Amino acid sequence: NAGVMQNPRHLVRRRGQEARLRCSPMKGHSHVYWYRQLPEEGLKFMVYLQKENIIDESGMPKERFSAEFPKEGPSILRIQQVVRGDSAAYFCASSPRGKTRDSNQPQHFGDGTRLSIL
Amino acid sequence: SQQGEEDPQALSIQEGENATMNCSYKTSINNLQWYRQNSGRGLVHLILIRSNEREKHSGRLRVTLDTSKKSSSLLITASRAADTASYFCATDFIMNTGFQKLVFGTGTRLLVSP
Repeated sequence: NAGVMQNPRHLVRRRGQEARLRCSPMKGHSHVYWYRQLPEEGLKFMVYLQKENIIDESGMPKERFSAEFPKEGPSILRIQQVVRGDSAAYFCASSPRGKTRDSNQPQHFGDGTRLSIL
Repeated sequence: SQQGEEDPQALSIQEGENATMNCSYKTSINNLQWYRQNSGRGLVHLILIRSNEREKHSGRLRVTLDTSKKSSSLLITASRAADTASYFCATDFIMNTGFQKLVFGTGTRLLVSP
């Protein structure tokens, strides 16, 4: 049973370009979470999606960042007009059910995409 | 910020010794989780302790939780070189929507030398 798959593992972009990060959740999981990790820091929540719906995007920057999880295919985190400060590791996690008040579903993480901005 | 803090930031020990990492958090929680991250990899879930539990064991791992002090500790007994990794605590923060967001601490980097 394959785990959470993220690609690419490493992505280099120049300032002003677009970055697209992909995440395929574990089989049977319909809930996806994106996190950002700066060097020497913990993960910071960005967005929580179910198929075709954004449930919570309270951690997403208001501009340039967007996420989707279409009916078919992987979840995509898109960063437009990248800047040096976007350099970080971006992790995706999935769970079979969402993190609701009565749920304690552990999240399964991918190995991340390391984004470097030149 | 709800983010917790872990201490020490870095810990270096010899194989066979015990390693203790502490986590402090700021808000009320339903549960607290510990994760491990090997260099260049994603996080692996280790153990979850509920707010009404005080101690939990899993193999060589022992987790304690003191909700009055808003703190938790992770003890790894008889450490091995393979335990070298970063360890993060994560608490749940319930949003207005009912969504339970995970808030991670800053992590402890553990180095176990042979």
